[in-house]
Formats: sequence, structure tokens, C-alpha cells
Amino acid sequence: AQSVTQPDIHITVSEGASLELRCNYSYGATPYLFWYVQSPGQGLQLLLKYFSGDTLVQGIKGFEAEFKRSQSSFNLRKPSVHWSDAAEYFCAVDISNFGNEKLTFGTGTRLTIIP
Amino acid sequence: DTEVTQTPKHLVMGMTNKKSLKCEQHMGHRAMYWYKQKAKKPPELMFVYSYEKLSINESVPSRFSPECPNSSLLNLHLHALQPEDSALYLCASRTDRGLDEQFFGPGTRLTVL
Repeated sequence: AQSVTQPDIHITVSEGASLELRCNYSYGATPYLFWYVQSPGQGLQLLLKYFSGDTLVQGIKGFEAEFKRSQSSFNLRKPSVHWSDAAEYFCAVDISNFGNEKLTFGTGTRLTIIP
Repeated sequence: DTEVTQTPKHLVMGMTNKKSLKCEQHMGHRAMYWYKQKAKKPPELMFVYSYEKLSINESVPSRFSPECPNSSLLNLHLHALQPEDSALYLCASRTDRGLDEQFFGPGTRLTVL
């Protein structure tokens, strides 16, 4: 069965430090991968997506992610975090079901930023 | 307009009440979704509509009744809910033209007393 794993439940980073959030997927075919961010009580906002092509993907708010097929990973990175980056981050894989695309989400990583 | 709107923002209801959640998008998307999200958990898919027809029901209890009256509007009718149904209900939409992401609304925070 398809699955997405985010090994880190909670990460604390100092403002200005670099960030890497891990995501591993289990899926037989070419995965379509997403990173979403959610602030408390809000909806999900897309940070970036990977469908094919260049394995290093640039997103909004200075985030990037690298698709590594050999490691079944799609880790999210940011060189310097800001206090406003504190939020919940979800990795997701798009699974096509007879044309009705379904997102399978990881369990999420909560990011805390300290001054 | 790249926005999905949801009303109301907050809803408190008793277990015998009937209420509805509304979701609207004007991006021409033909796939629309309802998700339920409990605190500190990822969203869980409930229903998918494709071209205004229900295409996926993730074994959701019948006290939740979805409706898609037209291509821009998605409703979720609620009746005889339980306190454990309290959650953030998210709506999303997606184009049918090739690969793209789902666009999410801000959600309705539902509390069942």
C-alpha cells in the first residue's frame, strides 16, 4: 500500500538557521509529490510540487525540495528560517484512482522557531 | 481568482441539529473534495466529486451527506452528529486538466456538543 512517512513529529530551529524536513514515500509508480504548510486553524497552502523533470524543485517562501528516487525521499529545505515559518508541514503523494486523484498525507512535522 | 472559500468559519451544533457547510470555487475546477482534520493529525479524505458526481466515498457515516449542486459549489449536510465529529472540515478543488495540486479552503471549525 502507498504511504508517506515524516519521521520527525516536532522540530525546533533557531531563527536564521537552516532547516530540513524529511519525507519518505512508498509507492510503486512515479510519485507526484507535494509539500503543504498549515498555520494553526487554517487551511493548507502549497509550498511546492514535483511531477517530473528537474529533481530540485523551488517553491514559495524560499523553500526547496529534492526528489531522490533511490532513497524514496522528498525532503524540504530552507537555508534560513524566519519566525513566520512556524507551522505544521505535510508531505503528500498523489495517488491516481481511475482519474480521481487522491492525496495521501504524512503525519506532519510541527516546526517551532526560537529567537 | 485562485481561492476556495468556506462558510461558516466556525459552527457549534447540538447532536440533534441539522446544519450545512458550504464550499465555493470559481477556478473552473471539476474535482472537489471534503476532508476531515482532527487536531494534530493530517487531513483525512471523506468525499470526492468529479464533474458534479460523487466518485469516492471513504466509508463516511451517513450522518454526513455531501452534495454538489453545480460545478462551483460543494455542500456537506450534517445531521445527528456525535461529539467525536468535532474537527476542522476542509474543502479542496483541483483541475481536471492534467497534473496539478489541490487548492484548499480555510476550513470550517465544527464543534458538536
